[in-house]
Amino acid sequence: DAGVIQSPRHEVTEMGQEVTLRCKPISGHNSLFWYRQTMMRGLELLIYFNNNVPIDDSGMPEDRFSAKMPNASFSTLKIQPSEPRDSAVYFCASSLGQGWYNEQFFGPGTRLTVL
Amino acid sequence: AQKVTQAQTEISVVEKEDVTLDCVYETRDTTYYLFWYKQPPSGELVFLIRRNSFDEQNEISGRYSWNFQKSTSSFNFTITASQVVDSAVYFCALSGNNAGNMLTFGGGTRLMVKP
Repeated sequence: DAGVIQSPRHEVTEMGQEVTLRCKPISGHNSLFWYRQTMMRGLELLIYFNNNVPIDDSGMPEDRFSAKMPNASFSTLKIQPSEPRDSAVYFCASSLGQGWYNEQFFGPGTRLTVL
Repeated sequence: AQKVTQAQTEISVVEKEDVTLDCVYETRDTTYYLFWYKQPPSGELVFLIRRNSFDEQNEISGRYSWNFQKSTSSFNFTITASQVVDSAVYFCALSGNNAGNMLTFGGGTRLMVKP
C-alpha cells in the first residue's frame, strides 16, 4: 500500500519566493496534518484537516503560511513570501477517522532551504 | 495543556546492550493515548506503538518492549540486545480526549548504537 506521498523531497529557494509543498494522504484516511521540524523547536503541528475542512490552524506561524485541501487526496502548504527562518523539514501525516486516538502515518518530509 | 518530556537527549550504547528510553507526560485529560515513533537517519517518522490510558499492561514486540505506569505518568521504551539499525531518534507523543486530533511530541532521544 502506498504511504503518505510528499513532493518535492527537497526545495531550495531564495528569500521572497513562493514555495508550495504538496501532500497525498493514504487513501481512505480523512484526517491530514502538516508539521514542521527544526532543531530549535522540534516537531510542531501547523494545521490539521478533517474531511477536507481545516479544524485547527493555531500552529500556523503567520499570514505568510496557508494550507488548502481541495479534495480528499491532495493538500498543499504554501509559504509566500518565504524567509530564511522558514528553513525546516515539513511533514505531512494522515490518519483514519477523526479520532484523537488514531495513529498518524507520516510522509517522508520535504526539506526546505530558504537562502 | 499537555506536555511530553524526554529527558535523555542522546544515548550511546554498544551493540547487544539493552537500552531504555524514558518518557514522562503531563495531561489533564481523563482519557488519552501514548505513542512512540522512530525517526531513522533517512528522516521519515515511523509509527511503533499506541497505548491507551486504561491499559497498563506492558507490551512486547520482538526486541522492543514498553512499560506504561500511570502512577508515575511514564511510558518508557526498552530495546533489548540493541543493533546498529536501531540507531535513530525516538519520539514519545501524547493525544488526549480534549485535545482534538493534536499529538504533542516530546523533544526526542537520539540513540546511537555502535558496533
